[in-house]
Amino acid sequence: DAKTTQPPSMDCAEGRAANLPCNHSTISGNEYVYWYRQIHSQGPQYIIHGLKNNETNEMASLIITEDRKSSTLILPHATLRDTAVYYCIVRNGGSNYKLTFGKGTLLTVNP
Amino acid sequence: DTAVSQTPKYLVTQMGNDKSIKCEQNLGHDTMYWYKQDSKKFLKIMFSYNNKELIINETVPNRFSPKSPDKAHLNLHINSLELGDSAVYFCASSQDLGISQPQHFGDGTRLSIL
Repeated sequence: DAKTTQPPSMDCAEGRAANLPCNHSTISGNEYVYWYRQIHSQGPQYIIHGLKNNETNEMASLIITEDRKSSTLILPHATLRDTAVYYCIVRNGGSNYKLTFGKGTLLTVNP
Repeated sequence: DTAVSQTPKYLVTQMGNDKSIKCEQNLGHDTMYWYKQDSKKFLKIMFSYNNKELIINETVPNRFSPKSPDKAHLNLHINSLELGDSAVYFCASSQDLGISQPQHFGDGTRLSIL
């Protein structure tokens, strides 16, 4: 699986948009970008995924650059409950049964 | 309704004992997984089952034996527990093995070995 790079931590004010970056410069054409988050003491929660087009669901938006070497997860109106570790994962078609988690970004939403 | 549920939530036991963790999903998914999260918070896959068939064993010791009685259940039995087995174990499921199918996780079983 392609390696991903995320900042170790970020802060965001409650009610503002949280923009979490991820670099995946070695991504190949058939690899998807997935985002999960893990709130303290809970299991990882699926947020969104995409291949090349931007995606939006009820939780977040995923913006993938045209060259696919980086992406941004956007939480449009962050709340205190969005404080969590956010994982950007590139999923390879050859080992498609598993997710390889890195260290992620600890997002802290402040009141 | 909880989509992926694990029992027990907490498990404290002595070294050398044998224990089991149960997982059930009510999503109608074909594929289930076990992941381990160690003290450094790294999540790693252990096993994957598709339609009750073992697909992958990620270099897990033989003391760990998964069992899938049906597609909705994937249990994990651990023999001769060791101190290093202390971790949080997560069960997950997905519609199938497809790359575009997200995995959905349970809330984990926290195993502590005394």
